Amino acid sequence: AQSVTQPDIHITVSEGASLELRCNYSYGATPYLFWYVQSPGQGLQLLLKYFSGDTLVQGIKGFEAEFKRSQSSFNLRKPSVHWSDAAEYFCAVGARTNAGKSTFGDGTTLTVKP
Amino acid sequence: EPEVTQTPSHQVTQMGQEVILRCVPISNHLYFYWYRQILGQKVEFLVSFYNNEISEKSEIFDDQFSVERPDGSNFTLKIRSTKLEDSAMYFCASSGGLVTTDTQYFGPGTRLTVL
Repeated sequence: AQSVTQPDIHITVSEGASLELRCNYSYGATPYLFWYVQSPGQGLQLLLKYFSGDTLVQGIKGFEAEFKRSQSSFNLRKPSVHWSDAAEYFCAVGARTNAGKSTFGDGTTLTVKP
Repeated sequence: EPEVTQTPSHQVTQMGQEVILRCVPISNHLYFYWYRQILGQKVEFLVSFYNNEISEKSEIFDDQFSVERPDGSNFTLKIRSTKLEDSAMYFCASSGGLVTTDTQYFGPGTRLTVL
Protein backbone atom coordinates (compact mmCIF):
# COMPACT_ATOMS: atom_id res chain seq x y z
CA ALA A 1 0.00 0.00 0.00
CA GLN A 2 1.20 3.49 -0.75
CA SER A 3 1.75 5.98 2.04
CA VAL A 4 3.29 9.37 2.63
CA THR A 5 4.87 10.81 5.75
CA GLN A 6 5.48 14.48 6.30
CA PRO A 7 7.45 14.56 9.55
CA ASP A 8 7.03 18.27 10.24
CA ILE A 9 3.54 19.38 11.20
CA HIS A 10 4.47 23.04 11.45
CA ILE A 11 7.49 25.01 10.27
CA THR A 12 8.26 28.66 10.86
CA VAL A 13 10.85 30.50 8.79
CA SER A 14 11.79 34.14 8.41
CA GLU A 15 11.05 35.90 5.17
CA GLY A 16 14.03 35.59 2.87
CA ALA A 17 15.30 32.45 4.55
CA SER A 18 15.58 29.13 2.78
CA LEU A 19 12.98 26.41 3.20
CA GLU A 20 12.97 22.65 3.08
CA LEU A 21 9.85 20.59 3.67
CA ARG A 22 10.36 16.89 4.14
CA CYS A 23 8.40 14.10 2.53
CA ASN A 24 8.98 10.36 2.72
CA TYR A 25 6.93 7.89 0.75
CA SER A 26 6.26 4.20 0.61
CA TYR A 27 5.33 2.66 -2.71
CA GLY A 28 6.00 -0.69 -4.30
CA ALA A 29 7.40 0.64 -7.55
CA THR A 30 8.68 3.89 -8.98
CA PRO A 31 6.20 6.43 -7.75
CA TYR A 32 4.55 9.47 -9.14
CA LEU A 33 5.18 12.23 -6.61
CA PHE A 34 3.51 15.58 -6.19
CA TRP A 35 3.62 18.63 -4.01
CA TYR A 36 0.48 20.71 -3.59
CA VAL A 37 -0.07 23.98 -1.76
CA GLN A 38 -3.31 24.96 -0.07
CA SER A 39 -3.99 28.47 1.17
CA PRO A 40 -6.64 28.86 3.90
CA GLY A 41 -10.09 28.06 2.55
CA GLN A 42 -8.72 27.36 -0.89
CA GLY A 43 -8.28 24.34 -3.11
CA LEU A 44 -5.13 22.43 -3.93
CA GLN A 45 -2.67 23.97 -6.32
CA LEU A 46 -0.05 21.75 -7.93
CA LEU A 47 3.46 23.06 -7.27
CA LEU A 48 5.44 20.37 -9.06
CA LYS A 49 5.52 16.70 -9.91
CA TYR A 50 7.98 13.92 -10.52
CA PHE A 51 7.26 11.10 -12.94
CA SER A 52 10.66 10.03 -14.23
CA GLY A 53 13.96 11.35 -15.52
CA ASP A 54 15.80 14.19 -13.85
CA THR A 55 15.47 13.78 -10.11
CA LEU A 56 15.52 17.53 -9.48
CA VAL A 57 12.25 19.02 -10.62
CA GLN A 58 11.35 22.66 -10.87
CA GLY A 59 7.92 23.96 -10.09
CA ILE A 60 5.96 27.14 -9.90
CA LYS A 61 6.62 30.02 -7.49
CA GLY A 62 10.34 29.23 -7.31
CA PHE A 63 9.94 25.82 -5.68
CA GLU A 64 11.96 22.74 -6.50
CA ALA A 65 12.01 19.19 -5.19
CA GLU A 66 14.51 16.37 -5.36
CA PHE A 67 13.58 12.72 -5.70
CA LYS A 68 15.96 10.44 -3.81
CA ARG A 69 15.06 6.83 -4.38
CA SER A 70 17.62 5.52 -1.85
CA GLN A 71 15.99 7.59 0.89
CA SER A 72 12.40 7.29 -0.37
CA SER A 73 12.21 11.05 -0.12
CA PHE A 74 10.88 13.92 -2.15
CA ASN A 75 11.75 17.07 -0.23
CA LEU A 76 10.50 20.46 -1.30
CA ARG A 77 12.85 23.43 -1.26
CA LYS A 78 12.84 27.13 -1.88
CA PRO A 79 15.95 29.31 -1.58
CA SER A 80 14.17 32.44 -0.35
CA VAL A 81 10.72 32.38 1.19
CA HIS A 82 8.20 35.16 0.66
CA TRP A 83 5.41 36.07 3.08
CA SER A 84 2.89 34.90 0.47
CA ASP A 85 4.27 31.37 0.74
CA ALA A 86 2.57 30.91 4.10
CA ALA A 87 0.15 28.03 3.52
CA GLU A 88 -0.24 24.31 4.02
CA TYR A 89 1.85 22.03 1.86
CA PHE A 90 0.91 18.49 0.96
CA CYS A 91 3.11 15.80 -0.50
CA ALA A 92 1.30 13.05 -2.40
CA VAL A 93 2.17 9.80 -4.10
CA GLY A 94 0.12 8.70 -7.06
CA ALA A 95 -0.45 5.31 -8.57
CA ARG A 96 1.07 4.84 -11.99
CA THR A 97 -2.27 4.40 -13.62
CA ASN A 98 -4.78 7.02 -14.48
CA ALA A 99 -7.48 5.32 -12.49
CA GLY A 100 -5.31 5.14 -9.43
CA LYS A 101 -5.67 7.21 -6.33
CA SER A 102 -3.30 9.75 -4.90
CA THR A 103 -2.36 9.33 -1.27
CA PHE A 104 -1.60 12.48 0.65
CA GLY A 105 0.56 13.19 3.65
CA ASP A 106 -0.78 14.96 6.69
CA GLY A 107 0.54 18.27 5.48
CA THR A 108 3.03 20.82 6.78
CA THR A 109 1.85 24.26 7.78
CA LEU A 110 4.33 26.96 6.87
CA THR A 111 4.39 30.22 8.82
CA VAL A 112 6.56 33.05 7.52
CA LYS A 113 7.87 35.61 10.01
CA PRO A 114 8.47 39.16 8.78
CA GLU B 1 -5.65 27.50 -18.70
CA PRO B 2 -8.40 24.88 -18.31
CA GLU B 3 -9.51 24.19 -14.78
CA VAL B 4 -11.83 21.99 -12.78
CA THR B 5 -14.85 23.81 -11.39
CA GLN B 6 -17.14 22.82 -8.53
CA THR B 7 -20.53 23.98 -7.35
CA PRO B 8 -21.67 25.02 -4.87
CA SER B 9 -18.71 26.44 -3.03
CA HIS B 10 -20.51 25.90 0.29
CA GLN B 11 -23.45 23.63 1.05
CA VAL B 12 -25.25 23.51 4.37
CA THR B 13 -27.66 20.66 4.99
CA GLN B 14 -29.53 18.93 7.76
CA MET B 15 -28.50 15.50 8.95
CA GLY B 16 -30.31 12.80 6.99
CA GLN B 17 -30.78 14.92 3.89
CA GLU B 18 -29.43 14.05 0.47
CA VAL B 19 -26.85 16.29 -1.15
CA ILE B 20 -25.38 16.36 -4.62
CA LEU B 21 -22.03 17.97 -5.20
CA ARG B 22 -21.25 18.97 -8.75
CA CYS B 23 -18.03 19.14 -10.68
CA VAL B 24 -17.11 20.06 -14.23
CA PRO B 25 -13.80 18.35 -15.03
CA ILE B 26 -11.33 19.61 -17.61
CA SER B 27 -12.99 19.03 -20.94
CA ASN B 28 -10.75 16.43 -22.59
CA HIS B 29 -10.01 14.50 -19.41
CA LEU B 30 -11.24 10.95 -19.07
CA TYR B 31 -10.59 10.09 -15.43
CA PHE B 32 -12.43 11.66 -12.53
CA TYR B 33 -11.97 11.56 -8.79
CA TRP B 34 -13.48 12.70 -5.53
CA TYR B 35 -11.46 13.39 -2.42
CA ARG B 36 -12.46 14.82 0.91
CA GLN B 37 -10.67 16.75 3.62
CA ILE B 38 -12.13 16.91 7.08
CA LEU B 39 -11.18 20.19 8.74
CA GLY B 40 -7.58 20.08 9.91
CA GLN B 41 -6.91 16.64 8.47
CA LYS B 42 -5.29 15.24 5.38
CA VAL B 43 -6.89 14.89 1.98
CA GLU B 44 -8.42 11.42 1.59
CA PHE B 45 -9.26 9.56 -1.58
CA LEU B 46 -12.90 8.57 -2.03
CA VAL B 47 -13.38 7.23 -5.55
CA SER B 48 -12.06 7.21 -9.09
CA PHE B 49 -14.25 6.93 -12.18
CA TYR B 50 -13.51 6.05 -15.78
CA ASN B 51 -15.63 5.05 -18.75
CA ASN B 52 -18.80 5.40 -16.71
CA GLU B 53 -17.63 3.01 -14.04
CA ILE B 54 -16.03 3.22 -10.65
CA SER B 55 -12.38 2.20 -11.02
CA GLU B 56 -11.37 2.26 -7.39
CA LYS B 57 -12.97 3.30 -4.14
CA SER B 58 -11.85 3.65 -0.57
CA GLU B 59 -13.41 2.19 2.53
CA ILE B 60 -14.92 5.62 3.18
CA PHE B 61 -16.99 5.33 0.02
CA ASP B 62 -19.81 3.20 1.39
CA ASP B 63 -23.36 2.67 0.18
CA GLN B 64 -24.32 6.21 1.20
CA PHE B 65 -22.15 7.57 -1.59
CA SER B 66 -22.61 7.37 -5.32
CA VAL B 67 -21.06 9.04 -8.34
CA GLU B 68 -22.43 9.74 -11.75
CA ARG B 69 -21.53 11.38 -15.00
CA PRO B 70 -25.02 12.43 -16.05
CA ASP B 71 -23.93 14.16 -19.25
CA GLY B 72 -20.79 14.97 -21.19
CA SER B 73 -19.53 17.61 -18.82
CA ASN B 74 -20.67 17.07 -15.23
CA PHE B 75 -19.45 14.65 -12.60
CA THR B 76 -21.45 14.39 -9.41
CA LEU B 77 -21.07 12.99 -5.92
CA LYS B 78 -24.27 12.12 -4.09
CA ILE B 79 -24.54 11.48 -0.39
CA ARG B 80 -27.91 9.86 0.25
CA SER B 81 -28.39 10.48 3.94
CA THR B 82 -25.84 12.86 5.35
CA LYS B 83 -24.26 12.38 8.76
CA LEU B 84 -22.52 14.90 10.94
CA GLU B 85 -19.19 13.27 10.15
CA ASP B 86 -19.69 13.94 6.43
CA SER B 87 -18.90 17.59 7.10
CA ALA B 88 -15.76 18.22 5.12
CA MET B 89 -14.32 19.90 2.07
CA TYR B 90 -14.93 17.76 -1.00
CA PHE B 91 -12.53 18.07 -3.91
CA CYS B 92 -13.14 16.89 -7.42
CA ALA B 93 -10.17 16.12 -9.66
CA SER B 94 -9.65 15.00 -13.22
CA SER B 95 -6.78 13.59 -15.23
CA GLY B 96 -5.91 11.88 -18.46
CA GLY B 97 -6.43 13.92 -21.55
CA LEU B 98 -5.69 12.91 -25.09
CA VAL B 99 -2.06 12.74 -24.03
CA THR B 100 -2.02 10.94 -20.74
CA THR B 101 -0.23 12.84 -18.04
CA ASP B 102 -1.50 11.18 -14.87
CA THR B 103 -1.48 14.49 -13.07
CA GLN B 104 -4.72 15.02 -11.20
CA TYR B 105 -5.96 18.59 -11.35
CA PHE B 106 -8.10 19.62 -8.43
CA GLY B 107 -11.08 21.89 -8.25
CA PRO B 108 -11.50 24.56 -5.56
CA GLY B 109 -13.68 22.31 -3.43
CA THR B 110 -17.17 22.33 -1.94
CA ARG B 111 -17.39 22.84 1.78
CA LEU B 112 -20.19 20.64 3.11
CA THR B 113 -21.59 21.44 6.53
CA VAL B 114 -24.02 18.96 8.05
CA LEU B 115 -26.06 20.28 10.97
